[in-house]
Amino acid sequence: EIVLTQSPGTLSLSPGERATLSCRASQSVSSNYLTWYQQKPGQAPRLLIYGASSRATGIPDRFSGSGSGTDFTLTISRLEPEDFAMYYCQQYGSSSWTFGQGTKVEIK
Amino acid sequence: QVQLVQSGAEVKKPGASVKVSCKASGYTFTGYYMHWVRQAPGQGLEWMGWINPNSGGTNYAQKFQGRVTMTRDTSITTAYMELSRLRSDDTAVYYCARDLMVRGVLGTAFDPWGQGTLVTVSS
Repeated sequence: EIVLTQSPGTLSLSPGERATLSCRASQSVSSNYLTWYQQKPGQAPRLLIYGASSRATGIPDRFSGSGSGTDFTLTISRLEPEDFAMYYCQQYGSSSWTFGQGTKVEIK
Repeated sequence: QVQLVQSGAEVKKPGASVKVSCKASGYTFTGYYMHWVRQAPGQGLEWMGWINPNSGGTNYAQKFQGRVTMTRDTSITTAYMELSRLRSDDTAVYYCARDLMVRGVLGTAFDPWGQGTLVTVSS
């Protein structure tokens, strides 16, 4: 099973700042199957990025994804108040899906 | 619009079973795989398995094999997840989520998600 490790665990930033979230895999992941979600308290996860870099429908362009192999990054160029939330990466491989443990982006 | 609406919260005793439903609307139900994911309180996300609503075929995560059963009723565009022999550590919010099926390929992403169903296992 591929293990995804997200860092940092918590990111404390101010609105308007840039957020850089990391997702590292224990073995190579196809970029086609690396996904990012946002989750707010009491809500279901929301798809942000699929295929490592494709924005889902309706996702603002301040969200971008990059990376390949074992290292992937989610960047939020300028944090808006509604972006403070939990973020999870996910991968698909060997007929199963795994998630990272999440990065919390909190208001500094 | 594409929507998944799940059944309400459940409280079960250890050893019992629970069956959660997920009503799909706004798209061709049989055209997209459906996943089930759970999230224990304050914890991360855990994939449980998928069902192909067209064929009824399933694929379960190894951890849940023998305890989980995923089914569907195409006449009412509803998917079901039943978990048996419940333990206290099965207390979690259970989500259904449609596979995005980009270019018809399974696995790209999960979108959308149902609102979640809280299952509490307590004696």
